[in-house]
Amino acid sequence: SQTIHQWPATLVQPVGSPLSLECTVEGTSNPNLYWYRQAAGRGLQLLFYSVGIGQISSEVPQNLSASRPQDRQFILSSKKLLLSDSGFYLCAWNSGQGLNTIYFGEGSWLTVV
Amino acid sequence: GQNIDQPTEMTATEGAIVQINCTYQTSGFNGLFWYQQHAGEAPTFLSYNVLDGLEEKGRFSSFLSRSKGYSYLLLKELQMKDSASYLCAVWDTGTALIFGKGTTLSVSS
Repeated sequence: SQTIHQWPATLVQPVGSPLSLECTVEGTSNPNLYWYRQAAGRGLQLLFYSVGIGQISSEVPQNLSASRPQDRQFILSSKKLLLSDSGFYLCAWNSGQGLNTIYFGEGSWLTVV
Repeated sequence: GQNIDQPTEMTATEGAIVQINCTYQTSGFNGLFWYQQHAGEAPTFLSYNVLDGLEEKGRFSSFLSRSKGYSYLLLKELQMKDSASYLCAVWDTGTALIFGKGTTLSVSS
């Protein structure tokens, strides 16, 4: 069966510090991968999605970036965090056919102080 | 543009039936999903509708009317553990799921 994991689960970072969140999927090949953010009082916002290695599409302008160095690995990064980057970050995947159910990782709580 | 609306909060009692509505306006439509999200946790998949009508899965059912841009999630025989946020999401033009802000359901005894 397929599983998705992301880490770290919780982190507290000072303003201006870098960020790296990692996500891996097991049990499938060539998945579509997604990064969503959920801020307090707001819905899930799509940040990035990837249909293959090195292929990244950004949905909103921000100081975040994403990379996909391997087929089942997706990384969310920032060089300098802002207070507004605080939130619940969720990695997700679905099969390469798209337009079907996406499954979420456990999530990462980021607090920027 | 894209817009998905659902009530912010709802309350109900154990054993009751509750209906959570969702209306959507999107440039395309390739299916509607419902997810459950307990506080502090990731969303989990509940149901999927791509054709008009009712899909039943145990205590949960989901209905879709594409012509009206409308869906609802029906929860029967409510239990305390059903207290959670329920997220309506639409596959728009195929990029990714677009989510509403969610409905927080509180079930009391």
